[in-house]
Amino acid sequence: ETGVTQSPTHLIKTRGQQVTLRCSSQSGHNTVSWYQQALGQGPQFIFQYYREEENGRGNFPPRFSGLQFPNYSSELNVNALELDDSALYLCASSLTERYGYTFGSGTRLTVV
Amino acid sequence: QKEVEQNSGPLSVPEGAIASLNCTYSDRGSQSFFWYRQYSGKSPELIMSIYSNGDKEDGRFTAQLNKASQYVSLLIRDSQPSDSATYLCAVNLNTNAGKSTFGDGTTLTVKP
Repeated sequence: ETGVTQSPTHLIKTRGQQVTLRCSSQSGHNTVSWYQQALGQGPQFIFQYYREEENGRGNFPPRFSGLQFPNYSSELNVNALELDDSALYLCASSLTERYGYTFGSGTRLTVV
Repeated sequence: QKEVEQNSGPLSVPEGAIASLNCTYSDRGSQSFFWYRQYSGKSPELIMSIYSNGDKEDGRFTAQLNKASQYVSLLIRDSQPSDSATYLCAVNLNTNAGKSTFGDGTTLTVKP
């Protein structure tokens, strides 16, 4: 059974650019959630996908968007990058959120 | 006021002592509660979940839940240097459509 994998591990982008982050969920998990974690803070909920549909969204602007594919893998897209978007982006998969999440190793995004 | 609050710490305990980590939450109707451990530079790892009032023990870890007081805690007995990490409290808040909302974490240092 494979865990949650994210790519890339690190990324440096320029302000105004666009970025796509990828996540493969744990085998059997049909729910993927994305979180943003700034240094010294807890993860902040961006959105969740369940069976290819968005199933909840946190307080993030529309330039944060996502997709989930039939194999339950997922993408997070961020347009018009801002300096404050620099953070660790975490993908978490679950069968049901009642039992908690399995997190991937994260993508460290730096916007310069 | 944050929806999930933790003592920011840092918390320092000697090896072999009991470490006590606390968390309060705003939504009285919440049903699922979690503790995650996050080592520096790594992603969160689920270590405990609790759903009913009272204590739940797993090895050296005990989670305690008091829904009337909207309070959840984690006790680590016989603390080891390897327990040094940031501990994140997460609550599935009804106000967040049941999605996990995280506190900002408490950093624990166990001194040999």
